[in-house]
Amino acid sequence: EPEVTQTPSHQVTQMGQEVILRCVPISNHLYFYWYRQILGQKVEFLVSFYNNEISEKSEIFDDQFSVERPDGSNFTLKIRSTKLEDSAMYFCASRYGEGVDTQYFGPGTRLTVL
Amino acid sequence: GDSVTQMEGPVTLSEEAFLTINCTYTATGYPSLFWYVQYPGEGLQLLLKATKADDKGSNKGFEATYRKETTSFHLEKGSVQVSDSAVYFCALELNSGYSTLTFGKGTMLLVSP
Repeated sequence: EPEVTQTPSHQVTQMGQEVILRCVPISNHLYFYWYRQILGQKVEFLVSFYNNEISEKSEIFDDQFSVERPDGSNFTLKIRSTKLEDSAMYFCASRYGEGVDTQYFGPGTRLTVL
Repeated sequence: GDSVTQMEGPVTLSEEAFLTINCTYTATGYPSLFWYVQYPGEGLQLLLKATKADDKGSNKGFEATYRKETTSFHLEKGSVQVSDSAVYFCALELNSGYSTLTFGKGTMLLVSP
């Protein structure tokens, strides 16, 4: 069964460094998402991406964040200058169509900012 | 805004016990409702869903009924197994545009033999 994959599974970085989290969505999917979960808190929506542009973003997704689909298979989340409060589990998701079509999630990347 | 509230965990049960995990929601429109499960070391997997009032979602022995009058979507299973130990997330999605999921905090279920 096709699945969403994410790399790395765990990333440790120093405050102020740039990180790139990578995701490979399911190949025929058209809509892509990033969510995050700070330890002990809710899973929160960050951004959605369709047709090579951001379709929606939350208040969390400020200028330090960017997303890209550089080569038609990868979907990346970049944090330009990490802060301690960026430490969280980051989930990528994809879906084929809009509406009630299911979102499929990856296993997550745990980001630790020291 | 839209929100989902789940019961705090962990929920600790013995094998074959009855499970209920409560979930209530607040939404401005008419959402679809979901339960996702996360097994240790894995991603979020869709467990079941319901798209309109009075619908019942079911999968792997788990059930949840969309109750508009009580704005609830409680997860139930008649007889849990050790392999059901996981974190369960209730979520809603408004059926409009580039719909995104709004999640609850998650409830950890621990089932002992």
